Amino acid sequence: EAGVAQSPRYKIIEKRQSVAFWCNPISGHATLYWYQQILGQGPKLLIQFQNNGVVDDSQLPKDRFSAERLKGVDSTLKIQPAKLEDSAVYLCASSLGPSGTEAFFGQGTRLTVV
Amino acid sequence: QKEVEQNSGPLSVPEGAIASLNCTYSDRGSQSFFWYRQYSGKSPELIMSIYSNGDKEDGRFTAQLNKASQYVSLLIRDSQPSDSATYLCAVIRDTGRRALTFGSGTRLQVQP
Repeated sequence: EAGVAQSPRYKIIEKRQSVAFWCNPISGHATLYWYQQILGQGPKLLIQFQNNGVVDDSQLPKDRFSAERLKGVDSTLKIQPAKLEDSAVYLCASSLGPSGTEAFFGQGTRLTVV
Repeated sequence: QKEVEQNSGPLSVPEGAIASLNCTYSDRGSQSFFWYRQYSGKSPELIMSIYSNGDKEDGRFTAQLNKASQYVSLLIRDSQPSDSATYLCAVIRDTGRRALTFGSGTRLQVQP
């Protein structure tokens, strides 16, 4: 069974630029999550989708971050404009059920904002 | 108060010893509990889940849950250098946000 796929693996941008990350979840997984992990911290939820609907985006900085999940499968997360404090690993995860049990993570995208 | 608290470590144990990792959570309504292992530069990997009070064993790993004390732990028996990693405790609340809420992790070092 293929895992959660993410791209790119690494990205370096200047502050105020924009960036987009892509995620393809495990086939059949209805729930998709984007987490932000700053060095030395645990992952922090940014947004949770159930199929193509948003379940929780309470911690998403909506003035600069946006995410969509078209057709209930792939998802993109965008940051525009980026700030230095956005430097982190962006992790996509998926789970079969609606309540997030046993979520599986992709390899992540390491973003450096300079 | 953080929702999920862990000692950041590092916790250093000799090879072959038992490593004990602890986690407390603030939401008494939390229902599902998980331990993830994260090697440096890698993504979190699920190693244990536990949903009811008591112990759950899987190979060298034992998860323990005490909902009354709002405490969950992970024991690793016969620790190996390959167990050296950061261990993340995660919970799912019964209400409100139902995605995983993570602690900051405990770094485990197993000395050969």
